[in-house]
Amino acid sequence: RKEVEQDPGPFNVPEGATVAFNCTYSNSASQSFFWYRQDCRKEPKLLMSVYSSGNEDGRFTAQLNRASQYISLLIRDSKLSDSATYLCVVSPLSSGSARQLTFGSGTQLTVLP
Amino acid sequence: DAGVTQSPTHLIKTRGQQVTLRCSPKSGHDTVSWYQQALGQGPQFIFQYYEEEERQRGNFPDRFSGHQFPNYSSELNVNALWLGDSALYLCASSLDQGAYGYTFGSGTRLTVV
Repeated sequence: RKEVEQDPGPFNVPEGATVAFNCTYSNSASQSFFWYRQDCRKEPKLLMSVYSSGNEDGRFTAQLNRASQYISLLIRDSKLSDSATYLCVVSPLSSGSARQLTFGSGTQLTVLP
Repeated sequence: DAGVTQSPTHLIKTRGQQVTLRCSPKSGHDTVSWYQQALGQGPQFIFQYYEEEERQRGNFPDRFSGHQFPNYSSELNVNALWLGDSALYLCASSLDQGAYGYTFGSGTRLTVV
């Protein structure tokens, strides 16, 4: 079983739609949670951190449910520029101080005009 | 303020050969992590270097080795290349082993033929 699992999609949605991505993680000791965005053939870039209380950044809302080991990302009013792969990322508790990132396989989003 | 710089950007090697990839971290960062991203997958953690030592290692064979120099730059070496090593190799720099987040370079795309 993968440590971080995501629906690979692809999700094809019209402009203005609301779309939600889900992610589950297996390591209950995971400490930090993120959503990264990766454009085609580019490097991943941090979209937002995810906190237990839920957090919002403009059109983007992230939620974390530690009991269910579940993370979500909601995008409202989708723009063409939101087309990308969205990577769910956790940082598990490690024996040392190194904080490696564990990535899901990503969910591909295409916003259609 | 220069971000993370990786070289070369693209590389083609033959099975059995050896390759060295290079990374210069973002100014002010002291930690370098390496990730392998196969096509259609999320990045997978290879190892992290801090204070010129390998601090944590992912599930990669000993053919993968690295080094960090006093100026914090780093090299990733892969020996005895095989077709499955074809991937995008990403370098991520951070401060204090990732305590304050990561910045990714644009990667080196390695093709093994």
